[in-house]
Amino acid sequence: DIVMTQSPLSLSLTPGQPASISCKSSQSLLHSDGKTYLYWYLQKVGQSPQLLIYEVSNRFSGVPDRFSGSGSGTDFTLKISRVEAEDAGVYYCMQSIQFPPFGQGTKVEIK
Amino acid sequence: EVQLLESGGGLVQPGGSLRLSCATSGFTFSSYAMNWVRQAPGKGLEWVSVISGSGGKTYYADSVKGRFTISRDNSKNTLYLQMNSLRAEDTAVYYCANPPLWGQGTLVTVSS
Repeated sequence: DIVMTQSPLSLSLTPGQPASISCKSSQSLLHSDGKTYLYWYLQKVGQSPQLLIYEVSNRFSGVPDRFSGSGSGTDFTLKISRVEAEDAGVYYCMQSIQFPPFGQGTKVEIK
Repeated sequence: EVQLLESGGGLVQPGGSLRLSCATSGFTFSSYAMNWVRQAPGKGLEWVSVISGSGGKTYYADSVKGRFTISRDNSKNTLYLQMNSLRAEDTAVYYCANPPLWGQGTLVTVSS
């Protein structure tokens, strides 16, 4: 099994502050096809998860450019340049190389 | 418009059974693997099971192996999860997912 480890597990921020969430996998997520199958999701309260970033660094349709993803191999980071109130929720990294796919989640509170 | 709509959740006693359905539309259902993912109250996302597009391959989390069965009917664009020998720890919202597409979830409560 691949183990996905996120840190920190919680963040409390004020609007305008930057945020950074780390995700480390126990095995490389680089596929033989050259792609790295690492995704970032945001789950707001009472909602289904919504895709923010796919394949490490590609913003999904409609995702604001304050969100960015980076990393390679086993170490990945999601950054929010300036958080807004609507960014509150739980952020999950997810890989699709093996099962299980999810990290534990990082709860982001906006004060 | 792409839609995934789960149904079949509810209250069931420990040891009981329940069958979840996920009706889909707006994409070529048979071309995609489909997943069930669950979320216990106040907890994170837990992958449960996946089935290939043809239905020929299935995989399960250890926590449900031998008790849950995933299946699909490509003629009806519908995904299923048969849950037997239910336990209190199976209480969760169950989502069908073809990432990045997710349903809205259906709540399963296992309690006497």
